[in-house]
Amino acid sequence: QVQLQESGPGLVKPSETLSLTCAVSGYSISSAYYWGWIRQPPGKGLEWIGSVYHSGTTYYNPSLKSRVTMSVDTSKNQFSVKLSSVTAADTAVYYCAGNISPTGTSFDHWGQGTLLTVSS
Amino acid sequence: SSELTQDSAVSVALGQTVRITCHGDSLRSYSASWYQQKAGQAPALVIYGIKNRPSGIPDRFSGSSSGNTASLTITGAQAEDEGDYYCNSRDSSGNLVLFGGGTKVTVL
Repeated sequence: QVQLQESGPGLVKPSETLSLTCAVSGYSISSAYYWGWIRQPPGKGLEWIGSVYHSGTTYYNPSLKSRVTMSVDTSKNQFSVKLSSVTAADTAVYYCAGNISPTGTSFDHWGQGTLLTVSS
Repeated sequence: SSELTQDSAVSVALGQTVRITCHGDSLRSYSASWYQQKAGQAPALVIYGIKNRPSGIPDRFSGSSSGNTASLTITGAQAEDEGDYYCNSRDSSGNLVLFGGGTKVTVL
């Protein structure tokens, strides 16, 4: 059974860099078509942050592109996202997700999400 | 276009049929997926590639698409179908992921 589990600090101060990791179990991270991060501010909808493909190619939401970096660590079977210069507007539940099954370009597996609060 | 537009909320009587729509120019070129998000839970894929259901998704969920509009239909809505539904596709370049704003479905 494939499982994704996000981990992060929970609380970050404004202007700092947040770093989140998604540990994948039950599946080789190298085998998926791509992995992604999606966030959801409290009471709002889903916002795609970015995706990293099996080739290593990354694509980011243009509204966040200048502040986002995604990477994959195949040795640990996990992938990560860093978001710099955070503000209160970055407070959200952050989800990691993957395109593992043959479902086209969908995110067919999701982590449970982790709440990240930006506050001094 | 870089937007997918959904109605904010719809309601349906128990056992009746509800259709949720998603509009966007990129839907003319790229297929839509649909996610269900129940309160306090992560989203879950219910339709991919316009009309395909992942394993375990009841057949009362169906999808379709025409022109710039994708639709998710729940035929015989159940109480457990309440939640937020998001459409998802690509932008015109095919590289960027788009989500609609979500539709809250209430089963009366």
